[in-house]
Amino acid sequence: DAKTTQPPSMDCAEGRAANLPCNHSTISGNEYVYWYRQIHSQGPQYIIHGLKNNETNEMASLIITEDRKSSTLILPHATLRDTAVYYCIVRAYTGTASKLTFGTGTRLQVTL
Amino acid sequence: NAGVTQTPKFQVLKTGQSMTLQCAQDMNHEYMSWYRQDPGMGLRLIHYSVGAGITDQGEVPNGYNVSRSTTEDFPLRLLSAAPSQTSVYFCASSYSIFPTDTQYFGPGTRLTVL
Repeated sequence: DAKTTQPPSMDCAEGRAANLPCNHSTISGNEYVYWYRQIHSQGPQYIIHGLKNNETNEMASLIITEDRKSSTLILPHATLRDTAVYYCIVRAYTGTASKLTFGTGTRLQVTL
Repeated sequence: NAGVTQTPKFQVLKTGQSMTLQCAQDMNHEYMSWYRQDPGMGLRLIHYSVGAGITDQGEVPNGYNVSRSTTEDFPLRLLSAAPSQTSVYFCASSYSIFPTDTQYFGPGTRLTVL
């Protein structure tokens, strides 16, 4: 799976949009971009994923650049409960294990 | 749906003891896997299964054993616990191994080996 690069930490004011960037410059054509988050030491929570089109669900939006080398996760109205570590992962079908390679992620702190 | 469930939530073992971490899912998922997470590190894959009766090793399989006799359950066995196995363990499942199918995680088991 391609390697991803994320900033180690970000701050966001409550009620504002949180824009979390991810660089995946070596992504290949069959690799999907996934976002998970982990609150405290709970299990990773799925947020959203996409291949090349922008995606939106009830939690967030995912914007993937046209060359697919980077993406941005957008939490439109961040709340204190969105404080967590956010992981950007690229994932391909390997034919065997479907491993999710978690890096160190971005620690998002939402403040009043 | 309960999703992915794990028991126990917390466990303390002495070196050399054995135990089984339980994982179950009620989503009829074929693919199940075990990860461990250590402080400051990402999740590392221990073992995985693509269906009942089929298991394989991940990145860090030593000291762990798995079996998959049913679609729902995927227990992880520690054969002889060591302090290096102190970690938080997460079980995950998805409908298939294809990247279009989302993996869902359980709440984790926090294990301490003294």
